[in-house]
Amino acid sequence: SQTIHQWPATLVQPVGSPLSLECTVEGTSNPNLYWYRQAAGRGLQLLFYSIGIDQISSEVPQNLSASRPQDRQFILSSKKLLLSDSGFYLCAWSVPLTSGNTIYFGEGSWLTVV
Amino acid sequence: QQQVKQSPQSLIVQKGGISIINCAYENTAFDYFPWYQQFPGKGPALLIAIRPDVSEKKEGRFTISFNKSAKQFSLHIMDSQPGDSATYFCAASVNTGFQKLVFGTGTRLLVSP
Repeated sequence: SQTIHQWPATLVQPVGSPLSLECTVEGTSNPNLYWYRQAAGRGLQLLFYSIGIDQISSEVPQNLSASRPQDRQFILSSKKLLLSDSGFYLCAWSVPLTSGNTIYFGEGSWLTVV
Repeated sequence: QQQVKQSPQSLIVQKGGISIINCAYENTAFDYFPWYQQFPGKGPALLIAIRPDVSEKKEGRFTISFNKSAKQFSLHIMDSQPGDSATYFCAASVNTGFQKLVFGTGTRLLVSP
């Protein structure tokens, strides 16, 4: 069965510090991968998606970047965090090339920038 | 045009009652409409989904009603239970071979005992 792992689960970072959130998917090959952000009391905003290694698309201009160095690994990064980067970050995956497929979310990472 | 508007923002229902959450969209190219359930501190999980070629889909106590002409769809939770207390998100996507969901802003449901 497929599983998705995301870490760290929580972190508190000072403004201006770097960020690295990691996500791995097991039990599937060549998944579509996603990073979403959920601000408190708000919906889910798609930040990045990837259809393959080193193929990253950004949905919104922001202080963050994403990389996919391996087929089932997706990394969310920032060189200098802003207060507005605080939120709940969710990695997700789906079976590629087929519409209407479920997006499976990880457990999320709570980021508080202080 | 890419937005999905969801209401209400919060909902309190007594145990055994019916919970109803509504969503509306503008993009007629949307062809997949899932509902996700999220418990506090957890990632969302797919609850039920529908395509626009059917007007209703039922899975257990959960039913999606879909009105293509009105561009609206809704989630009905029958016999609501305290364990259903969670945040519910509607979403929509276009058939591009890639699952790019647009989410509603969520409804926080509380089912009182």
